[in-house]
Amino acid sequence: DVKVTQSSRYLVKRTGEKVFLECVQDMDHENMFWYRQDPGLGLRLIYFSYDVKMKEKGDIPEGYSVSREKKERFSLILESASTNQTSMYLCASSFPGVYGYTFGSGTRLTVV
Amino acid sequence: QKEVEQNSGPLSVPEGAIASLNCTYSDRGSQSFFWYRQYSGKSPELIMSIYSNGDKEDGRFTAQLNKASQYVSLLIRDSQPSDSATYLCAVAPPGYGNKLVFGAGTILRVKS
Repeated sequence: DVKVTQSSRYLVKRTGEKVFLECVQDMDHENMFWYRQDPGLGLRLIYFSYDVKMKEKGDIPEGYSVSREKKERFSLILESASTNQTSMYLCASSFPGVYGYTFGSGTRLTVV
Repeated sequence: QKEVEQNSGPLSVPEGAIASLNCTYSDRGSQSFFWYRQYSGKSPELIMSIYSNGDKEDGRFTAQLNKASQYVSLLIRDSQPSDSATYLCAVAPPGYGNKLVFGAGTILRVKS
């Protein structure tokens, strides 16, 4: 069964902490994505990676960075967590040109 | 600005009825359109894609596309309680690479 695995289902962090969200896929997908999902706002793209060490900013990259050192792993980094980054974070992956993304189960992050 | 608009709902329909979910998009050059279903507490999954004007049927689901009106819809026939979920419309705008823009979703409730 193909999978996108996110390391934590629930996470609580303090304001100012550096936070790492990890995502691993086992489908050999080139494309990987980080979205955040908020009520009434839907899924908003934070960052996109189309290959190892390659990344593009999405629509809301401020306050975030990413790392992709291996094809299967895409990490989202909150440099200094703030309360407005409290959200559901979803990782997804796909082959190039394919829009049927496979999503992970999500990480619900609360920043206090 | 790439925008995908959906009525947030909830849309309530009785079991066995037709549920009609609607979506409009702002980028006139968009060519690819998708519907994702998201059960409460779960991640989105792709259920339909449509690329040409007209209707596309898959079982109880029919996607309809009208590019001139920048409108895409999803019809669910013989609605079942198990169809209760949030339905996300997604669009691949031109020049946006291998990325989707998602609407905020419509909550569908099918009452038995």
